[in-house]
Amino acid sequence: DAGVIQSPRHEVTEMGQEVTLRCKPISGHNSLFWYRQTMMRGLELLIYFNNNVPIDDSGMPEDRFSAKMPNASFSTLKIQPSEPRDSAVYFCASSPLSTGRETQYFGPGTRLLVL
Amino acid sequence: GQQVMQIPQYQHVQEGEDFTTYCNSSTTLSNIQWYKQRPGGHPVFLIQLVKSGEVKKQKRLTFQFGEAKKNSSLHITATQTTDVGTYFCAGPNRDDKIIFGKGTRLHILP
Repeated sequence: DAGVIQSPRHEVTEMGQEVTLRCKPISGHNSLFWYRQTMMRGLELLIYFNNNVPIDDSGMPEDRFSAKMPNASFSTLKIQPSEPRDSAVYFCASSPLSTGRETQYFGPGTRLLVL
Repeated sequence: GQQVMQIPQYQHVQEGEDFTTYCNSSTTLSNIQWYKQRPGGHPVFLIQLVKSGEVKKQKRLTFQFGEAKKNSSLHITATQTTDVGTYFCAGPNRDDKIIFGKGTRLHILP
């Protein structure tokens, strides 16, 4: 199995630019999660999907952040416009079942730097 | 809301010494999961505990789930340099959303 795939692995952009992060979950997994990790705040859950439907987006920081899952094998997290405080590592994770209780399999992450 | 707290935040140990990290939840957990994140890497699932008082071992790692299912611990015997990383506990809240602790960062002194 390829595991969870994320792209790009690294992104450097300037403040105000649009950033799109991509994720391909493990085939057959029903849940997908987006996390943000920083030294100050640790690992924060931004949003998660069950069967392609957003279930809880209470962790999304503000309207500049949006996430979509158009099909079972693809999800995007978009930041528009980006700000320096968005600099972080963004992880995508998937889980086999449609509950939050099961093991999560993390992708390698996207390291975002907003100048 | 539910909180999952881990202590200590950082731990430096001499290679060969033991290490323990503790996880405490403000509410009863249906299960608890432990993850390890190597420096520059991503969290990797280690184990899940479900039963009250459960103890599981993985080689030098011993995981415990408290009788009240509100706390857990991870103990590493005779640490090695490969144990370096951040150890996270995580548990589901009432809405089945996984809540991660802030993690314990382990540094091994050679």
